[in-house]
Amino acid sequence: QKEVEQNSGPLSVPEGAIASLNCTYSDRGSQSFFWYRQYSGKSPELIMFIYSNGDKEDGRFTAQLNKASQYVSLLIRDSQPSDSATYLCAAPMIKAAGNKLTFGGGTRVLVKP
Amino acid sequence: EAQVTQNPRYLITVTGKKLTVTCSQNMNHEYMSWYRQDPGLGLRQIYYSMNVEVTDKGDVPEGYKVSRKEKRNFPLILESPSPNQTSLYFCASSPGQGFGAQHFGDGTRLSIL
Repeated sequence: QKEVEQNSGPLSVPEGAIASLNCTYSDRGSQSFFWYRQYSGKSPELIMFIYSNGDKEDGRFTAQLNKASQYVSLLIRDSQPSDSATYLCAAPMIKAAGNKLTFGGGTRVLVKP
Repeated sequence: EAQVTQNPRYLITVTGKKLTVTCSQNMNHEYMSWYRQDPGLGLRQIYYSMNVEVTDKGDVPEGYKVSRKEKRNFPLILESPSPNQTSLYFCASSPGQGFGAQHFGDGTRLSIL
C-alpha cells in the first residue's frame, strides 16, 4: 500500500461544477496535510493545508479531513478552466531521523468550458 | 523576493559524467528537500535535510548524494549519472522540521544520454 494514494484521473468537470478530489494515507501519525496545484511543466504551488478534523474553506476551495478514516479531500467549487491542473496531496511522515514528506501521485483535473 | 533558486534549469549530459544541481533559498528555512518527478510515478523525495549537517534519505536516494554545509544551500550530486536518472527535479524548502508548506524551485530538467 502506498503511503499517500490518489486517483490519477483525469477528472473531467464542466465549468461551474464542483470538482471533488480524494486522498487516503496510511500513517496514522500524520497530523498535517497539504494540497498543491501543479500546472504542466511548472512547480507545485500550495493551495490548502489542514490540520484538524472537519472542513476548512478558502475561497472556492474546501479541504476536508477525517483522521479516523485516514482520508482527506479537496473540493473546488465553481470550477474554472484555469483550475485544469494536477492536484497533489502530501503528508509529512515522522521518521526516526527526521520528517519525510510523501506526495500522492496526483489527480489530473480537466475543466471543460 | 522569497524564493528557491535551482541551477541549471535544463541539462543534457552523458552517462558517467559527474554533475551537480545547485539549490539555494533566501528564506532562512531549516528544512530542504530534493524531489524527482516522473510520469505515472508522481513526486518522489530523494533526500531531505532538517538543518545544517543533518541529512537523510527519502524514498529514492540511490545514485544521489547531497550535502548541507550552509543553511541556504542544498546541492544535489550525481556522481555517475545513468539514463534512469533522466527526470524533472525539484528542490524545496520549508520552515521548521518539515511539517510546513514547501516552497518549490522552478525545477531542473535533466536528460542523461
